Amino acid sequence: EVQLVESGGGLIQPGGSLRLSCAASGFAVISDYLSWVRQAPGKGLEWVSLIYNDGRTFYADSVRGRFTISRDNSKNTLYLQMNSLRAEDTAVYYCARGTGSAWTHDPWGQGTLVTVSS
Amino acid sequence: QSVLTQPPSVSAAPGQKVTISCSGSSSNIGNYDVSWYQQLPGTAPKLLIYDNNKRPSGIPDRFSDSKSGTSATLGITGLQTGDEADYYCGTWDSSLNAVVFGGGTKLTVL
Repeated sequence: EVQLVESGGGLIQPGGSLRLSCAASGFAVISDYLSWVRQAPGKGLEWVSLIYNDGRTFYADSVRGRFTISRDNSKNTLYLQMNSLRAEDTAVYYCARGTGSAWTHDPWGQGTLVTVSS
Repeated sequence: QSVLTQPPSVSAAPGQKVTISCSGSSSNIGNYDVSWYQQLPGTAPKLLIYDNNKRPSGIPDRFSDSKSGTSATLGITGLQTGDEADYYCGTWDSSLNAVVFGGGTKLTVL
């Protein structure tokens, strides 16, 4: 069974850093597209970042230069390093696998909550 | 403001049919397939439809989609109270080099 499990969320002060992890099982992270998508409280889905199987990376304008997506093939885990965090980064962060295309996400993890507040 | 435009809410009675529109442009829907997601309250999104009306295993054929030009439409027939959820469309945008989502549509089954 293909499964994704996020971790690493929590309360962080503005300007701080946090690294999210997404442990994959049932497939190899090196072989698929993987995205981070976030959802602010009471709001819609916002795509954050994508890594291709060939290693190319893409970012939303709102996080480019502050967030970095990466993967550890030996641990079969996806990461999102988040620096210079702002209040508007507060959201549930989901990781999701791209199936067939980079923008068709299936499955999604359960999400991890990041709260940026002083 | 989302790149893809969806109505904020739709409603219909049990057993009826409802459609949810998703409007974009030539840089996204006009040239790429659309995926649709269902998000039940308090849960992660789930893939409903992708790649021209394909459904993942377990998704009933009450859910369907269509596309015309720069717009896509999700159709749900035989509405059930369990279909009450938020629905999102998504695709690739070649101008932004980004995945884009609609703002979401809240379905109420009256």
